[in-house]
Amino acid sequence: AQKVTQAQTEISVVEKEDVTLDCVYETRDTTYYLFWYKQPPSGELVFLIRRNSFDEQNEISGRYSWNFQKSTSSFNFTITASQVVDSAVYFCALSDTFKAAGNKLTFGGGTRVLVKP
Amino acid sequence: GAGVSQTPSNKVTEKGKYVELRCDPISGHTALYWYRQSLGQGPEFLIYFQGTGAADDSGLPNDRFFAVRPEGSVSTLKIQRTERGDSAVYLCASSLSSGGAGDTQYFGPGTRLTVL
Repeated sequence: AQKVTQAQTEISVVEKEDVTLDCVYETRDTTYYLFWYKQPPSGELVFLIRRNSFDEQNEISGRYSWNFQKSTSSFNFTITASQVVDSAVYFCALSDTFKAAGNKLTFGGGTRVLVKP
Repeated sequence: GAGVSQTPSNKVTEKGKYVELRCDPISGHTALYWYRQSLGQGPEFLIYFQGTGAADDSGLPNDRFFAVRPEGSVSTLKIQRTERGDSAVYLCASSLSSGGAGDTQYFGPGTRLTVL
């Protein structure tokens, strides 16, 4: 069965520091998708990125970057020059095609990021 | 356009009562998902609709939980004989299609259910 592990439960940094969030996944499928979502204190999950299993290129979007390493089943997320507004819980999620029907997401437990001014 | 909306935002009920939670997906999205998020945990899948039919209800914890989507748009999650353990945030998400595992799901703000 698929599983997502986010070993870091909470990370605290000072503004402008970089922070990297780890995500390790397990799946039996060769075709799968990985996602990152942000959940600010307001509670709504905000989509950040989607990556498919065939695309191992790293991606950068502004201060956000993602490192996909298929060999170690990891999809890590880095926030560069963190800001107070980055304070939130971040979730890594996996969907695969092993089971029929839809796009059920399996989430990790989340990492709470606290950015102090 | 408008995002996913959920009502009510908060629901407090007593043990044993019946509750209904409503989700209005993004216009044109054919796939709709319900998840449950307990405090300090990641969301857990409950049920998935493609159009009007429940294509996967494997995440529903027991037969007290039921969901419908009669016209392929708005969905209602129904919980009978609520228990204190049902207290959680219930999240709804929608995606454009169910073409496979790659569709991005967009989430609503959730309904916080508290069972006293």
